[in-house]
Amino acid sequence: DQQVKQNSPSLSVQEGRISILNCDYTNSMFDYFLWYKKYPAEGPTFLISISSIKDKNEDGRFTVFLNKSAKHLSLHIVPSQPGDSAVYFCAASPAGSSNTGKLIFGQGTTLQVKP
Amino acid sequence: DAGVTQSPTHLIKTRGQQVTLRCSPKSGHDTVSWYQQALGQGPQFIFQYYEEEERQRGNFPDRFSGHQFPNYSSELNVNALLLGDSALYLCASSFGPRGNQPQHFGDGTRLSIL
Repeated sequence: DQQVKQNSPSLSVQEGRISILNCDYTNSMFDYFLWYKKYPAEGPTFLISISSIKDKNEDGRFTVFLNKSAKHLSLHIVPSQPGDSAVYFCAASPAGSSNTGKLIFGQGTTLQVKP
Repeated sequence: DAGVTQSPTHLIKTRGQQVTLRCSPKSGHDTVSWYQQALGQGPQFIFQYYEEEERQRGNFPDRFSGHQFPNYSSELNVNALLLGDSALYLCASSFGPRGNQPQHFGDGTRLSIL
C-alpha cells in the first residue's frame, strides 16, 4: 500500500522556467510533509517542509503548496537551474500518538533542467 | 559543523553472513533513524532510536536490529543476509523523536550481497 505517491517518474524543464513536482498521499493522519533532493552517490538533502496548519511555505526559489482536501502537495522551483537536476522525493510524517518521526517516502521524480 | 556520517561507504557480503553499519548523527541531534533504499524506490523506514531505545519499527524482520550509544551514534546490524538485502542503507538524524522536525541524511552505505 503506497501511502505517498509521486506519479511522474521524470520531468524535463528548460533553464529559467518553473519546475512543478507533484505528490499525492492517502493517509489523512499525515500532518508534516517534506521535500528532499538526491544527487547520485549522495544521501537525500532536506529542501523544505510544511506543516498541515499551513497551505504554503516558501524558501528562496522553492515553494511548497499543500492542499489537504485533495491530499496533494507540490514543489515549485522558480527559476529552475541546471544544478537542480536531481531526484526529488516527497515524504510525510503522521501526527498524534504515531508522531515518532517515521517518514514515508514517495518513489521519487527525476528532474532534468536543460541549459 | 559535521553532518551525518556513515561507514563504510560500500560493503560486499555473501548470503548468510552478518553485517554492521555505523552512523554518527549531525552535531546537536539526539535521534537516529535508519532507512533502506532499493534501486528506483524511495527510502523505507527500518527503525528509530532515541535515548538508546528503539522507538518505532517499520515492516522489517527481526534479522534487522540496532543500537544507540550514549554519544547518540548508532549501529544497524543485519543477520543471515539475503540477496534481497542488497540496497543503500541510509541513516538520518534529528533533534527529538517527534515527526515535526526535518531529518538530515548521511550519504549511505551501499550493501551488495553475492
